[in-house]
Amino acid sequence: AQSVTQLDSQVPVFEEAPVELRCNYSSSVSVYLFWYVQYPNQGLQLLLKYLSGSTLVKGINGFEAEFNKSQTSFHLRKPSVHISDTAEYFCAVSAGGTSYGKLTFGQGTILTVHP
Amino acid sequence: EAGVAQSPRYKIIEKRQSVAFWCNPISGHATLYWYQQILGQGPKLLIQFQNNGVVDDSQLPKDRFSAERLKGVDSTLKIQPAKLEDSAVYLCASSLNRGPEAFFGQGTRLTVV
Repeated sequence: AQSVTQLDSQVPVFEEAPVELRCNYSSSVSVYLFWYVQYPNQGLQLLLKYLSGSTLVKGINGFEAEFNKSQTSFHLRKPSVHISDTAEYFCAVSAGGTSYGKLTFGQGTILTVHP
Repeated sequence: EAGVAQSPRYKIIEKRQSVAFWCNPISGHATLYWYQQILGQGPKLLIQFQNNGVVDDSQLPKDRFSAERLKGVDSTLKIQPAKLEDSAVYLCASSLNRGPEAFFGQGTRLTVV
């Protein structure tokens, strides 16, 4: 079984400042890792995913994440945030084999960008 | 390309009543998922379909929840009877042949009073 821990429930930041949202996972098998964003009263939108290959993954809206296997982490970063980045962010993991395609989510991190 | 469609967007019912949600996945997506997202938590998988067959329903409370996917396309999720703790957003997602990327609908927000 897999589990995901998002280390911060809320992250306030000022506009144009950098931000990091932290995610740790546990799994006994190789995993696929994802970050999703959820705006109020909306569904989940995929920001980026790690399936294999380069450990630095770039996504939409200027976000990137780095897969660190030794630390079992997949932290999300953006060098300069905008007001429009205010949303809730979810880290998720999917394992291969019979669990392929099923997502286990973290509790979410609410990012609030202040002017 | 049209996304995952869900209806209704909002539903308010009294406890012990029944309710049904509908989902139309992206065309050609063989795999369909229903997730439950309780306020303040991440989504939790309820059931996974591959075409019209159930792959995993281990997290579905089968005494009150049921789901079907006729003809391998649309799906309905039903709750009967509803409890207060069923208040949540119900998200439908689809993917290509269990592919790791799932596309989500906007969800149905259920309030049980």
